[in-house]
Amino acid sequence: AQRVTQPEKLLSVFKGAPVELKCNYSYSGSPELFWYVQYSRQRLQLLLRHISRESIKGFTADLNKGETSFHLKKPFAQEEDSAMYYCALGGSQGNLIFGKGTKLSVKP
Amino acid sequence: SAVISQKPSRDICQRGTSLTIQCQVDSQVTMMFWYRQQPGQSLTLIATANQGSEATYESGFVIDKFPISRPNLTFSTLTVSNMSPEDSSIYLCSVAGTGSIYGYTFGSGTRLTVV
Repeated sequence: AQRVTQPEKLLSVFKGAPVELKCNYSYSGSPELFWYVQYSRQRLQLLLRHISRESIKGFTADLNKGETSFHLKKPFAQEEDSAMYYCALGGSQGNLIFGKGTKLSVKP
Repeated sequence: SAVISQKPSRDICQRGTSLTIQCQVDSQVTMMFWYRQQPGQSLTLIATANQGSEATYESGFVIDKFPISRPNLTFSTLTVSNMSPEDSSIYLCSVAGTGSIYGYTFGSGTRLTVV
């Protein structure tokens, strides 16, 4: 089964603290994984894709095939990082399979 | 990446009526996807729309309730038929980048409230 699990509905941290949003996946083939972010009243937008191994807005995510994980990390959270974060898996039908999302709240 | 114009951005509709949502893409794309995001929930795929063929619906979604048109490679519509309050959701269209490794672009969404 193709599935994405984000165990935390809400993650609250203080500004400057490290943040890690967890994502685990289930996929029989070679996975394509993404992180999407949705800021308040804005459209869903791509944050990271595992294939590019890039850092966007200070966020990184490493694919760990052994643990079937793709956790999103940032060493120092900023207030503007407050948003909904969705982990997504490229499905075999060409679509995206989304996790339930984690709401990140960064407090001043 | 592709730019998607989706409209309407929001609507309030009476139960029993239908609403058609439009998505216009600024480039030709083979596959377009329609998602639903119910209040407080994640995104669920409704169907995949390919030009020139019938849409492929996911389990729990049927053509009579969510008819889709895909007349060309830049445009698609999703109709929510015979609406009930349970259909109140955000509906989004999406297209894949050049190869899925480039991620997917989403429309701004249509916030539908059925009263």
